[in-house]
Amino acid sequence: AQSVTQLDSQVPVFEEAPVELRCNYSSSVSVYLFWYVQYPNQGLQLLLKYLSGSTLVKGINGFEAEFNKSQTSFHLRKPSVHISDTAEYFCAVSSGAGSYQLTFGKGTKLSVIP
Amino acid sequence: KAGVTQTPRYLIKTRGQQVTLSCSPISGHRSVSWYQQTPGQGLQFLFEYFSETQRNKGNFPGRFSGRQFSNSRSEMNVSTLELGDSALYLCASSLGQGDWETQYFGPGTRLLVL
Repeated sequence: AQSVTQLDSQVPVFEEAPVELRCNYSSSVSVYLFWYVQYPNQGLQLLLKYLSGSTLVKGINGFEAEFNKSQTSFHLRKPSVHISDTAEYFCAVSSGAGSYQLTFGKGTKLSVIP
Repeated sequence: KAGVTQTPRYLIKTRGQQVTLSCSPISGHRSVSWYQQTPGQGLQFLFEYFSETQRNKGNFPGRFSGRQFSNSRSEMNVSTLELGDSALYLCASSLGQGDWETQYFGPGTRLLVL
């Protein structure tokens, strides 16, 4: 069984400041890792994904994440946030191997303060 | 390409009724997954269909069912609605072949059970 823990339910940050959203996972098998963003009244949009290869993954809108196998973490970072980054962010895991089932964390609400 | 569309966007039902939600995937995508999103439980996987066959199923009661048509459009049905079924129901589509393919989410159907 897999599980995902997002350590912060809410993160306030000032505009142009850096931000890190934390994600830890638990799995008995190799996993694929994802970050999705959800804007109010919308579906989920993929920010970035880790399938294999380089542990530093770059995504859209200036976000990046680092896969750390020893710490079973996949933290999301952005060096300078904008008001438009205000949204809810979800970390997710899949075992892959043809399984398209995603297990999500509870989400982190990022509020960017002008 | 048009994105994933879900109909209806909003729905109000009463306890005991049944409901059918529809999802039209991106053209060429053969995999459709369904998720339930609630404030308490977060995002939970319901099931995934590929080429008209259910390929994966989450841990939901039998009141939740789905199907997929030859054109890859999918429907999910919830019978004997309960208050706890009030949620945002999201569907996601992908090519569905290989180890992993990016899933694209629709805007969701918001169901309110009174």
